[in-house]
Amino acid sequence: KAGVTQTPRYLIKTRGQQVTLSCSPISGHRSVSWYQQTPGQGLQFLFEYFSETQRNKGNFPGRFSGRQFSNSRSEMNVSTLELGDSALYLCASSPRGLAGLYEQYFGPGTRLTVT
Amino acid sequence: SQQGEEDPQALSIQEGENATMNCSYKTSINNLQWYRQNSGRGLVHLILIRSNEREKHSGRLRVTLDTSKKSSSLLITASRAADTASYFCATGPGGETSGSRLTFGEGTQLTVNP
Repeated sequence: KAGVTQTPRYLIKTRGQQVTLSCSPISGHRSVSWYQQTPGQGLQFLFEYFSETQRNKGNFPGRFSGRQFSNSRSEMNVSTLELGDSALYLCASSPRGLAGLYEQYFGPGTRLTVT
Repeated sequence: SQQGEEDPQALSIQEGENATMNCSYKTSINNLQWYRQNSGRGLVHLILIRSNEREKHSGRLRVTLDTSKKSSSLLITASRAADTASYFCATGPGGETSGSRLTFGEGTQLTVNP
């Protein structure tokens, strides 16, 4: 099976702009989670989508949003970008979306730089 | 905030030696997982140990879990230069309603010198 894919891989944006990142999960996986990784805060959970519904949300401001489509592909959007949003954004999929039971499969990430 | 704390933060060893990394967590868990990350890339799942298991092996990896101490350790035996990476522990929450939220530790940077 093809792995989790994320597009674009690299992105440079200016403060105040918005950005949309895309994630295609492994075929058959219905859960998609997003994580932000920065040197200062480490890996932090953003949100999780399962069957087009947001099931979990981390402690991020409302500028961070996401959605999931019927084919399980997911997008996350960040509006009004700030310098602190510069990070590696990782997407992960799992078969049933229960981290208590299954491992997650991560994509290569999107490196966002905000200038 | 990170639930997991990993120790040490950095570890440098010679090829062929064993590497041990430790992880502690704070709340109840359903499982604990270890991931590897090479130089700012995506994470690769290494091994998952459930809360009712005490030890698990996978190739050169050995993971232990002590739920009474809320701690886990990852042992990599006969290390290779290719094992150089950051290693993270991550806890899966207890309870089916919690979904897929993984809480990661701060990671251990392992360097294996040839």
